[in-house]
Amino acid sequence: QKEVEQDPGPLSVPEGAIVSLNCTYSNSAFQYFMWYRQYSRKGPELLMYTYSSGNKEDGRFTAQVDKSSKYISLFIRDSQPSDSATYLCAMSSLTQGGSEKLVFGKGMKLTVNP
Amino acid sequence: GAGVSQSPSNKVTEKGKDVELRCDPISGHTALYWYRQSLGQGLEFLIYFQGNSAPDKSGLPSDRFSAERTGGSVSTLTIQRTQQEDSAVYLCASKGGRSSYEQYFGPGTRLTVT
Repeated sequence: QKEVEQDPGPLSVPEGAIVSLNCTYSNSAFQYFMWYRQYSRKGPELLMYTYSSGNKEDGRFTAQVDKSSKYISLFIRDSQPSDSATYLCAMSSLTQGGSEKLVFGKGMKLTVNP
Repeated sequence: GAGVSQSPSNKVTEKGKDVELRCDPISGHTALYWYRQSLGQGLEFLIYFQGNSAPDKSGLPSDRFSAERTGGSVSTLTIQRTQQEDSAVYLCASKGGRSSYEQYFGPGTRLTVT
């Protein structure tokens, strides 16, 4: 079992829809939970960051973490065509050398149709 | 300000050749990471540099891969005797230091081994 599991999609929705993206994980040592957005031919950019169970809201985006179930979600309200991108969940862990690294899900490709 | 830059943006090489990929991190960032993004595999950690400390090489897939960081700034990832399975996008990220959490990614180098 991989440390982080994410359905790679793709997912296609109409403009204005509510989008739900999810990841599960197996490592209880993960401390920080992030969502990155990656546009085509670009590097990932941080969208949301949280370290505790519960919800965190930023505009149309809500990140949800449930540590007891080892499950995180990203909700996008009133989705826009500009939200079309690949969304990657990421969690912080320690490498074998003792330094921090991010463990990423495979990424979900989202298309919002006008 | 200037973000993370990488060069070349695309590289096509023949199997068995050596390649060098370059990363210019954000000025003042002490931490630098290399990742590999393959189709269907998500982002895979390769190596981590923090200041003048010895790099964490625990993610390098084989001894054909090496990296250096000169003067705590520019980094070069070298792949010797390239194989077709090395074809991927190689991403570099930097962050402000141990207490920072956000990694800033460059646009990546798309490597194709023919």
